[in-house]
Amino acid sequence: EPEVTQTPSHQVTQMGQEVILRCVPISNHLYFYWYRQILGQKVEFLVSFYNNEISEKSEIFDDQFSVERPDGSNFTLKIRSTKLEDSAMYFCASSALAGASDTQYFGPGTRLTVL
Amino acid sequence: AQTVTQSQPEMSVQEAETVTLSCTYDTSESDYYLFWYKQPPSRQMILVIRQEAYKQQNATENRFSVNFQKAAKSFSLKISDSQLGDAAMYFCAYQGTYNQGGKLIFGQGTELSVKP
Repeated sequence: EPEVTQTPSHQVTQMGQEVILRCVPISNHLYFYWYRQILGQKVEFLVSFYNNEISEKSEIFDDQFSVERPDGSNFTLKIRSTKLEDSAMYFCASSALAGASDTQYFGPGTRLTVL
Repeated sequence: AQTVTQSQPEMSVQEAETVTLSCTYDTSESDYYLFWYKQPPSRQMILVIRQEAYKQQNATENRFSVNFQKAAKSFSLKISDSQLGDAAMYFCAYQGTYNQGGKLIFGQGTELSVKP
């Protein structure tokens, strides 16, 4: 069964450093998402992406964040200058169709630890 | 703005018994989708069940079923014949039909433990 994959599974970085989290969505999916979950809290939407453009972003997704689909398979989330409060689990998701027309399938997540 | 509330931080069930997890939501939209996701200790988010608001019939997936009460804005998950592998955090989520960004709005989660 096709699945979303994410690398790395765990990333440790120093405050102020740039990190890139990588995702490979399900191959025929066209809509991509990033969510984050701070330990012990609920999952929060960051951004949705379609046709090489951001469809929607949350208040969390400020200028420190960016997303990119550099090739036909990868979808990345970059945090330019990490802060302690960026420590969280980051989930990538993809869906075949737009918005609520289709179910989002999640990857296993990347645990980001900012020291 | 839409909100999702899960009022039970923790629930416990005996193996083979039935348990119901509660979820309420607030929205002014008439069409939307509701989901239950399971998050085991591995922290992967796994879709359990999905309900379209325009469908009156409650969704079912094997041992999992929902009680969708649109007027009450309630969406509970019933797990029958509970198994040890059902132990996980369960999240209720809302998605607006008219929101083409596809954002899922999650509740706070309910930690389910299953006793052998």
